[in-house]
Order: sequence, then structure tokens, then C-alpha cells
Amino acid sequence: EVQLVESGGGLVQPGGSLRLSCAASGFTVSSNYMSWVRQAPGKGLEWVSVIYSGGSTYYADSVKGRFTISRDNSKNTLYLQMNSLRAEDTAVYYCAREPAYCGGDCYFDYWGQGTLVTVSS
Amino acid sequence: SYVLTQPPSVSVAPGKTARITCGGNNIGSKSVHWYQQKPGQAPVLVIYYDSDRPSGIPERFSGSNSGNTATLTISRVEAGDEADYYCQVWDSSSDHPGVVFGGGTKLTVL
Repeated sequence: EVQLVESGGGLVQPGGSLRLSCAASGFTVSSNYMSWVRQAPGKGLEWVSVIYSGGSTYYADSVKGRFTISRDNSKNTLYLQMNSLRAEDTAVYYCAREPAYCGGDCYFDYWGQGTLVTVSS
Repeated sequence: SYVLTQPPSVSVAPGKTARITCGGNNIGSKSVHWYQQKPGQAPVLVIYYDSDRPSGIPERFSGSNSGNTATLTISRVEAGDEADYYCQVWDSSSDHPGVVFGGGTKLTVL
């Protein structure tokens, strides 16, 4: 059974850093495109970043240069390193998986339950 | 960057048909996917590749995509269909590809 479990959220001051984790089971993260998607309180979904199965990474303009997506194949875990955090980064952060047969231009078939990041002094 | 436009809200009586639109420039040339999100829960895929239904999604959910508009249609609406719905595409038109979501539509069952 495919499962995605996020952790690492919490309260952080503006300018601070946080690392989110997404532990995967039931499949191998390195075989799929994996993304982070966030949702600010009361707002819609916003895509944050993707890591391709081949290792290429891409970011939304709103986080480029501040966030880094990565994975640890030995731990089958996806990460999001968030630096220089701002109030507008406050959101629930979801990790999401694309099916392995896709090569981009695809959908998310599994989502984690989300982890809340609050940036406030 | 590519923009998807959804109506903020749609209201429908039980048993009737709800249509939620997703507008984008020549969206008919892209693959559109739809998600349902209920309060406090993660999104759930309800339609992929314009009109395909994942297993477990009722046949009442259908999709279409042509020209500048994609549409999610929910037939015989039930109270349990009340949720936010989001359309999604991949935008590979620039040198930094990424996922684009519509702003979301809140479906209210009267």
C-alpha cells in the first residue's frame, strides 16, 4: 500500500529555516516524480517544487533560491529544505506522487496528509 | 506563466448536475486533471487526462476539455460531493516546467 507521511512542520521565525520530510512506503521515491504542494490557510493549492526520477529539480518562482528539494534513496524519503522563510510561506505542505509511468505532464495519484508550517514572530 | 481560471463558487441542488469550469489559453491542447478536497483533508484525484476516472470514483464524475475550457461535470449531485475542486495542468512551455493549479471552486449543495 502506498503511503506518504510528512513531518517537520512547526513554528519558525521570519528568516529562519525548516526541513520537511516525506517518508514513503509501498513504492520507491526515486522511481517517481515527486512534488511538494502547499496550501495557505483558507487559500488554494500552490505547487512548490518537483524532483524528477532522474534527479532534475524545478521550483515555483515564489520559492526559487530559498527552498531545495531532495531525496534520500536509502531512506526512501523526500525532503524540502526551506530557508529565509517569510510570513507568506505559512501553509500546510503536502508531498505528492506522480505515477511511475508518467514522464511529466501528469497528475498526482497519492498525497500525504500534510504538515503545517507557521512563519511568525 | 500559464494561468488557470475557475469560478470561486458553484451551487447546485441535490440530484441536479454541477459543472465546474477551468479556463486557460488553448487548454484543450493540454492534459487536465481534477481534485476534490474536503475540509481538513488532502486532495483526492477525481479525473485525470481530461476524462478518465480513477478506480473508486463514481461514474457520476466526468470531464471534458476543448478549446479554452475544461469542465468537470458531477451528475446527480449528493450532499457528500460538497467540497473544493481544483483543476491542474503541467506547464512545460517555459524553460522551467512546473505544475499549475486553478484557484479552486467551492461546490455548495443546496
